[in-house]
Amino acid sequence: QQQVKQSPQSLIVQKGGISIINCAYENTAFDYFPWYQQFPGKGPALLIAIRPDVSEKKEGRFTISFNKSAKQFSLHIMDSQPGDSATYFCAASMSGSQGNLIFGKGTKLSVKP
Amino acid sequence: KAGVTQTPRYLIKTRGQQVTLSCSPISGHRSVSWYQQTPGQGLQFLFEYFSETQRNKGNFPGRFSGRQFSNSRSEMNVSTLELGDSALYLCASSLVGGGQIFGPGTRLTVL
Repeated sequence: QQQVKQSPQSLIVQKGGISIINCAYENTAFDYFPWYQQFPGKGPALLIAIRPDVSEKKEGRFTISFNKSAKQFSLHIMDSQPGDSATYFCAASMSGSQGNLIFGKGTKLSVKP
Repeated sequence: KAGVTQTPRYLIKTRGQQVTLSCSPISGHRSVSWYQQTPGQGLQFLFEYFSETQRNKGNFPGRFSGRQFSNSRSEMNVSTLELGDSALYLCASSLVGGGQIFGPGTRLTVL
């Protein structure tokens, strides 16, 4: 049972464009939703995270939008750059179990110059 | 501040052998989690330790085990290795309630 579904699997965006990655979850007990960026040969790096009490969180060019009723959240990368080309993972965890992240399958982003 | 360190970075073993991987968390982080990453299954949670106690365990066979020491360093062990255990094993540490910070991983190849 896949508890966190991520789409698309791959994404090609032109430099300067907006990259949008979507995730949907099933377990309403989830209350922490981070996004990670992973480059080849490296471990995932925490980008930004949100909790259900807010609908949007922005850090630099990265924004999380959260829709609690639809059980969906998304990552927007504004002004996408070739250096953003990486695999992005959404994840979710429950209160008291934040060390147990349930990950989506990942989105491979390619930003073309 | 030094990041999460994992040793060794690469490991080649044969079927039936056992392996021990080590993780040193960021100073002050008492929570350590382990994940397995494969192309087919993605990132899957193995177990979480806090103050030397296992708090959560993922859906992996008993061949996978771990422990945490009083200095928060953690080890995971896989016994009777199978070809399907070939993966990137990632360790992550965090403060209580904080986001998990991942190490670079240990690439295990089972021949």
